[in-house]
Amino acid sequence: NAGVTQTPKFQVLKTGQSMTLQCAQDMNHNSMYWYRQDPGMGLRLIYYSASEGTTDKGEVPNGYNVSRLNKREFSLRLESAAPSQTSVYFCASSATGTVNTGELFFGEGSRLTVL
Amino acid sequence: TQLLEQSPQFLSIQEGENLTVYCNSSSVFSSLQWYRQEPGEGPVLLVTVVTGGEVKKLKRLTFQFGDARKDSSLHITAAQPGDTGLYLCAGAFPPGNTGKLIFGQGTTLQVKP
Repeated sequence: NAGVTQTPKFQVLKTGQSMTLQCAQDMNHNSMYWYRQDPGMGLRLIYYSASEGTTDKGEVPNGYNVSRLNKREFSLRLESAAPSQTSVYFCASSATGTVNTGELFFGEGSRLTVL
Repeated sequence: TQLLEQSPQFLSIQEGENLTVYCNSSSVFSSLQWYRQEPGEGPVLLVTVVTGGEVKKLKRLTFQFGDARKDSSLHITAAQPGDTGLYLCAGAFPPGNTGKLIFGQGTTLQVKP
């Protein structure tokens, strides 16, 4: 009953350090997404992958890179972390290549603090 | 840039009261979804509306999609403490719609017993 699994759940970094957030889904979904959630700003799309082998920028891609490793896995990398990247990060997946009627399934989130 | 405006951002009411949350945009949605999120968890889908003027009901929750597909509302009748949480609207925008879903800022609802 895993669904969407994110690791790590908590991480503290110093400014300038790098790290990768991992995400895996076991629902055979085509599309995967990375969002960040900050107080009063809802969820903002960082990057998404409509299908295996493709990635596209969302609303706030600066400072991040992604890799769609295979159909199951979609990772988010911070090359040089900044305090402005302190946030809760959510990975999500959906079955369809479009979201007209496709439900997003979310992981439990990864809370990142950059000092 | 597409923008979804949700209002109010915060709502604190007593058990048994009714409430409405609004989601508005200057752009036309191809579809709109409402999610509910509890602390420490990811959002969970409540409903998807696709057709202008569409009304969907989920127990005490009523969702409406505007005729012009630029706005939506969530109405809760006789709110209960279990309704407490963050409510998020999310819109899929044309053209093409290759998978981008844009979220509103969210409405934090607290229902006091």
